[in-house]
Amino acid sequence: ETGVTQTPRHLVMGMTNKKSLKCEQHLGHNAMYWYKQSAKKPLELMFVYNFKEQTENNSVPSRFSPECPNSSHLFLHLHTLQPEDSALYLCASSQDPGQPYGYTFGSGTRLTVV
Amino acid sequence: RKEVEQDPGPFNVPEGATVAFNCTYSNSASQSFFWYRQDCRKEPKLLMSVYSSGNEDGRFTAQLNRASQYISLLIRDSKLSDSATYLCVVNMGNYGGSQGNLIFGKGTKLSVKP
Repeated sequence: ETGVTQTPRHLVMGMTNKKSLKCEQHLGHNAMYWYKQSAKKPLELMFVYNFKEQTENNSVPSRFSPECPNSSHLFLHLHTLQPEDSALYLCASSQDPGQPYGYTFGSGTRLTVV
Repeated sequence: RKEVEQDPGPFNVPEGATVAFNCTYSNSASQSFFWYRQDCRKEPKLLMSVYSSGNEDGRFTAQLNRASQYISLLIRDSKLSDSATYLCVVNMGNYGGSQGNLIFGKGTKLSVKP
């Protein structure tokens, strides 16, 4: 069972809706990440949080708004999305951003924008 | 040039076959390297790290050639359960402000047939 939990698993939303994705990690890690995985594309890093401070925003449109209230929780707030934003959104955590041993991923939220 | 390049496949092999995947990376400052496995509609999971001296874990052998900026994964005695997409992943450490984030290839799809 993964130590990183994401909810919801599936989400269908209209372009005018506002929704939020939630991620929680129980591993005691200090860094958390949002990745986007679209069909036929590699995983794309969106945001990085280290000790709940945002350390990287990888040129993500403002319709995606992250929030990290503490080191264990990460949210991705969504508003006025486009159909091309439909993808699998993966949360991950690691002990710290520089650690060389890889990340633990959540199961992802499969988002469909209609 | 893409940062991490892999042959997307698919590689269709019979059970018991030996199969090898290759990956090249563009940034010579890259510090650590991994292979992840991703099953259909699931999250990526760390398969193994890749060390300069090469490393083996059961039927899986990983090799790194820093001079050629090339990583490989060899799977011996393929099992049906090895069917998945194999992601080549590179960590650039703290080069260029990247904060040690992981850069993913698009993945190589393996299908092992009975």
